[in-house]
Amino acid sequence: KQEVTQIPAALSVPEGENLVLNCSFTDSAIYNLQWFRQDPGKGLTSLLLIQSSQREQTSGRLNASLDKSSGRSTLYIAASQPGDSATYLCAVEMDSSYKLIFGSGTRLLVRP
Amino acid sequence: SQTIHQWPATLVQPVGSPLSLECTVEGTSNPNLYWYRQAAGRGLQLLFYSVGIGQISSEVPQNLSASRPQDRQFILSSKKLLLSDSGFYLCAWSVPLAGVNEQFFGPGTRLTVL
Repeated sequence: KQEVTQIPAALSVPEGENLVLNCSFTDSAIYNLQWFRQDPGKGLTSLLLIQSSQREQTSGRLNASLDKSSGRSTLYIAASQPGDSATYLCAVEMDSSYKLIFGSGTRLLVRP
Repeated sequence: SQTIHQWPATLVQPVGSPLSLECTVEGTSNPNLYWYRQAAGRGLQLLFYSVGIGQISSEVPQNLSASRPQDRQFILSSKKLLLSDSGFYLCAWSVPLAGVNEQFFGPGTRLTVL
């Protein structure tokens, strides 16, 4: 059974810092991995999707990497801003199943 | 561009009452549709998904049901709500293409069962 873990559960950093959020999964036979952002009381916003054949994806200040063999993905946020404060969730899709299995998220606070 | 709507935004219902949550997608055709629940202190859990009209797959046995009466409409229902049905319900859509199945989420419905 696939399990997705995100560490740390919460993170507080001063504005301007570069930071890394971690996601690990127990079954390496994934199809895709997707990173989301969730603001309090809101829905999820898709940030990046990495296919199993890819090593990384970039969007603006965000860079997500994938190491399938070791069961890990990282989300790198450069030059963090207070507006980046939110919960970040990773989710894996198993082979062609359409189903996403989510981690419990990392709650990020960027202090001005 | 595609948009996804959910209503109501919030709902307070007594135990034993019926439930109907609605989700509609605009700007795309034949999407996959999904219902997730996010309970307090727990992660997101997939409840149902649909790859076409009238096609529903259930992931978690419970007193909830889903229906897809139209291509871009997905409804979550219950005949009798339980306290444990409280949570944040999220609808999502995707259009699988060349192995990519990026899911996009709606704004959610906050359900409180008293």
